Amino acid sequence: GESVGLHLPTLSVQEGDNSIINCAYSNSASDYFIWYKQESGKGPQFIIDIRSNMDKRQGQRVTVLLNKTVKHLSLQIAATQPGDSAVYFCADNTGTASKLTFGTGTRLQVTL
Amino acid sequence: DGGITQSPKYLFRKEGQNVTLSCEQNLNHDAMYWYRQDPGQGLRLIYYSQIVNDFQKGDIAEGYSVSREKKESFPLTVTSAQKNPTAFYLCASKQEGVRNQPQHFGDGTRLSIL
Repeated sequence: GESVGLHLPTLSVQEGDNSIINCAYSNSASDYFIWYKQESGKGPQFIIDIRSNMDKRQGQRVTVLLNKTVKHLSLQIAATQPGDSAVYFCADNTGTASKLTFGTGTRLQVTL
Repeated sequence: DGGITQSPKYLFRKEGQNVTLSCEQNLNHDAMYWYRQDPGQGLRLIYYSQIVNDFQKGDIAEGYSVSREKKESFPLTVTSAQKNPTAFYLCASKQEGVRNQPQHFGDGTRLSIL
């Protein structure tokens, strides 16, 4: 079946550098995308979302880019901090109003 | 504070036993969801409910049951028919009626087999 996937299972970055986490989706009907952050032993925490009528959306230190042509989205974290260490998931709605499909996640490790 | 409360945080099940995981939300959300998370994997949908007294199977509903008698509550029962229940279970909710809203999650229940 169709799924949301991630290119890299683990990403290691130095404190202060920018991080880029990538995600590929396969359902062309998807029109809503979300990035979540999950710390160990906790539930996913909403970071930022983007609708398919946008290419870019910025939040505090985070930016999501959407490329519908190649079905790809990315999460950019500026000036990565130790507190950013977590697993990051992308999710998409596969065109539905209620359900989400999640990728397997990328672990971000921030080194000092 | 508004949020989603899952209890207990840790749960142990004996062979042949049914166990029930609690999920309560005070966000006034219409839709609620149960997911299962295994190590190194994404979230898989077990059941979801868009309105009180109604629910639908997700991708991996076998061995699980739910009820939605109240808007705030969506308990999940892991039955003895679920042969591999050890996992991290996550409950989520979101507002219906407005398209493209994120789901919000509780902090999960970790279920293990004795």
